[in-house]
Amino acid sequence: AQSVTQLGSHVSVSEGALVLLRCNYSSSVPPYLFWYVQYPNQGLQLLLKYTTGATLVKGINGFEAEFKKSETSFHLTKPSAHMSDAAEYFCAVRTPGNTPLVFGKGTRLSVIA
Amino acid sequence: DTGVSQDPRHKITKRGQNVTFRCDPISEHNRLYWYRQTLGQGPEFLTYFQNEAQLEKSRLLSDRFSAERPKGSFSTLEIQRTEQGDSAMYLCASSLYKSSGNTIYFGEGSWLTVV
Repeated sequence: AQSVTQLGSHVSVSEGALVLLRCNYSSSVPPYLFWYVQYPNQGLQLLLKYTTGATLVKGINGFEAEFKKSETSFHLTKPSAHMSDAAEYFCAVRTPGNTPLVFGKGTRLSVIA
Repeated sequence: DTGVSQDPRHKITKRGQNVTFRCDPISEHNRLYWYRQTLGQGPEFLTYFQNEAQLEKSRLLSDRFSAERPKGSFSTLEIQRTEQGDSAMYLCASSLYKSSGNTIYFGEGSWLTVV
């Protein structure tokens, strides 16, 4: 079975600072990994995903994530935070067999002016 | 492409009543998923369909919960004899299953409050 651990339920950064949201996964087979963003009272929007190939994945809104198999990690980064980035971020994992997504508990990102 | 649509967006019901949520997936998507999300938690998988067949159900889906996708298009999630612990957001998602790695798209969710 797969699982996801997101380190830090709440991260606060200053506007313009680096954003780093941590995600570690557990999977018995090579995983597919995803980051979703959720704004208040809304559904989830896909930021980026890793399936195969290049381990550095670029997504929307300037976010990117790097799959590191040796560290079982898939951390999300953005060089410069904007106020509009304030939201809840979820890391998710699934196996290539198309099993349903398994989500972490989420990290709430606050951006301070 | 209008996205995944859910109805109603908000529902307040008294304990013991039945409620039903509807989900219309993205056109042509053959897989449809239901998740539940409580405050401060990530979404938890409930069940999913491929076309009209219900392929997997989570242990979270008690016998008070039933989901259908009768014609392989829209789906309904019914909760019978609601309890306060059922208060949550119910998320529907869909995908086009052609190969592994296909993206799952989520709807806006249906908030349920049981009083």
